[in-house]
Amino acid sequence: QVQLQEAGPGLVRPSDTLSLTCTVSGDYMSSSYWSWIRQPAGKGLEWIGRIHTTGNRNFNSYLRSRITMSVDFSKNQFSLKLTSVTAADTAVYYCAQEWGQKSLPVSWGQGIAVTVSS
Amino acid sequence: DVQMTQSPPSLSASLGDRVTISCQASQTLSTSLNWYQQRPGEAPKLLIHSASELHSGVPSRFSGRGSGTGFTLTISSLQPEDFATYYCHQSYITPQTFGQGTRVEIK
Repeated sequence: QVQLQEAGPGLVRPSDTLSLTCTVSGDYMSSSYWSWIRQPAGKGLEWIGRIHTTGNRNFNSYLRSRITMSVDFSKNQFSLKLTSVTAADTAVYYCAQEWGQKSLPVSWGQGIAVTVSS
Repeated sequence: DVQMTQSPPSLSASLGDRVTISCQASQTLSTSLNWYQQRPGEAPKLLIHSASELHSGVPSRFSGRGSGTGFTLTISSLQPEDFATYYCHQSYITPQTFGQGTRVEIK
């Protein structure tokens, strides 16, 4: 089973771009969807979006205009960029691998806390 | 987007109790409904997929039912490690969406 590890800055200034990477270990990045999900402190889970190894992408309706996702096969990584961040983007961000047959996140990273503040 | 409504938002129960959590979808999902467990400080873990299929390694005291728009998660006999927050999740259509969660606390 693959392991996933998020990385990125813990603090981002308002109006800047939040950039996170997820490194996949234990296996190559097989044909699959790779997802991002976030969770504000004390609140529920919010699906951000996903990217397939073929390049197909699906995004959250409310965040769509601010999201960029990409895959770097040479580094076994995929990434998330979220532009024009505000305090409402403060959350723990999780990366995950989808179970291909069922299209659902099955393997999760431990999460990375990101705070948006000046 | 599909709206997922869980009830109750929280509940208090004792060890050995039978607990049922409900999830209602704003449109039909067939059986593309999943349940996750999240303990404090941890990432969510998949319990049930496809409405009623137990994920590998999940104890048999967990069960799921439903189809269409109404679903339930039942824990037949609460154990200490089951005190956590539970989320329903739809994978029927993108964007995928989660319920707001049900927190199961010790009475």
